[in-house]
Order: sequence, then C-alpha cells, then structure tokens
Amino acid sequence: EPEVTQTPSHQVTQMGQEVILRCVPISNHLYFYWYRQILGQKVEFLVSFYNNEISEKSEIFDDQFSVERPDGSNFTLKIRSTKLEDSAMYFCASRPDRGNQPQHFGDGTRLSIL
Amino acid sequence: AQTVTQSQPEMSVQEAETVTLSCTYDTSESDYYLFWYKQPPSRQMILVIRQEAYKQQNATENRFSVNFQKAAKSFSLKISDSQLGDAAMYFCAYRGQGGSEKLVFGKGTKLTVNP
Repeated sequence: EPEVTQTPSHQVTQMGQEVILRCVPISNHLYFYWYRQILGQKVEFLVSFYNNEISEKSEIFDDQFSVERPDGSNFTLKIRSTKLEDSAMYFCASRPDRGNQPQHFGDGTRLSIL
Repeated sequence: AQTVTQSQPEMSVQEAETVTLSCTYDTSESDYYLFWYKQPPSRQMILVIRQEAYKQQNATENRFSVNFQKAAKSFSLKISDSQLGDAAMYFCAYRGQGGSEKLVFGKGTKLTVNP
C-alpha cells in the first residue's frame, strides 16, 4: 500500500538555524498538510496546500514557516531561525481529493532544537 | 471554530475485554467527517475508523466500532476483545466540509492494555 514518506526521522538543530523537513506524499494525492505535535500535547494543524498554493494556515504558521512543492513529488516545510519551542513531532499528511477519503499520515519527523 | 473534546486522559482495559473511549465535538456544520486515529509509542498516526455524519449507521472495522450520536455530538470508540497491540494514544478528529478540510484533533486518550 502506498505510504507518505518523511525524512529525516529525527533532526537535531541548533537554535537560530534553518531546518527543512521533507515529505513525499502518495503519488495521486492532491491535498497536502503539515501538522505539529509538541510532546505530550495534541496534534495541531499548521498548513494545507493544494494546487501549488497554501489553501489554509493556522495562527501558528507565521512568517517563520514556509512550504514548497519544488517538484512533482516532494512537499517541504521550512522553519527559519528555529526556536526552542519549535521542538516537536512534525507530521505530513496527504489526501487524494474531496469527499470521504481520509488523510494518510507519514511517520513524522522529530525535531529537537538545542 | 470546531472543537473536539476527549474527557478521558487515560483508560485501561484487561486483555480480551471491551473498552469505550469518549469523544464529543462542537460544530455548526451539518455535514462533516469524524475519525479515530491510533498513535502507538512509535508515534505513527494510524487511521482506525471513520464516520460520515450523513450516515446514521455506525461504522465498524473488525474489533473497532463507533457509537455516533449526531444530535448529542458524540462519537465514542469501542474496542472489543482488546489486545496488547491496542495499547496506544487514541485521538478523535473532526473534519468539516469545504476549505482545506483540515483535521481538528482532541487531546487524546492513552489506552493501557493489561495482560
């Protein structure tokens, strides 16, 4: 069964550095999402992406964050000037189209800011 | 804005027994979807079961079933014949129609299965 793939599985970065989290959604999916889960807390929506543009973003997704689909397969989340509070698990998800199809999640990238 | 509430931070069940996890939500929409996701210690997010709000029949997936009460805005998950591998965090999630159709999650219930 096709899967959403995220790399790396664990990223350790110094505070203030930039980090790029990578995702390869399922190939025929059209909607892409990033979610964040701070340790011990609930999963929070960050941003959704459709037709090569952001369709919705949360208040968490400020100017520090950006997303890109640089080619036909990758979907990236860039975090500039990382802060300690950016430490979290970041999940990528994708969905084929509207309707009752669920979002499929990747295994997540654990981001640790030192 | 939609909200999802899981009032049970932790639950435990004996192996082979049945357990029910609670979830309530708040929305003004009439058409939406509800999901239960499982997150084992490996921290993957695994879809367990889903329910379309327009369907009156409760969804079932093998040992997993839901009790969907639309008027009460309640969506509980029943796990029958619990197995050790069911131990995980369980998240209830809401998805509306229109817009980006993002998922709104509850805070989760940690399920422990005792042998």
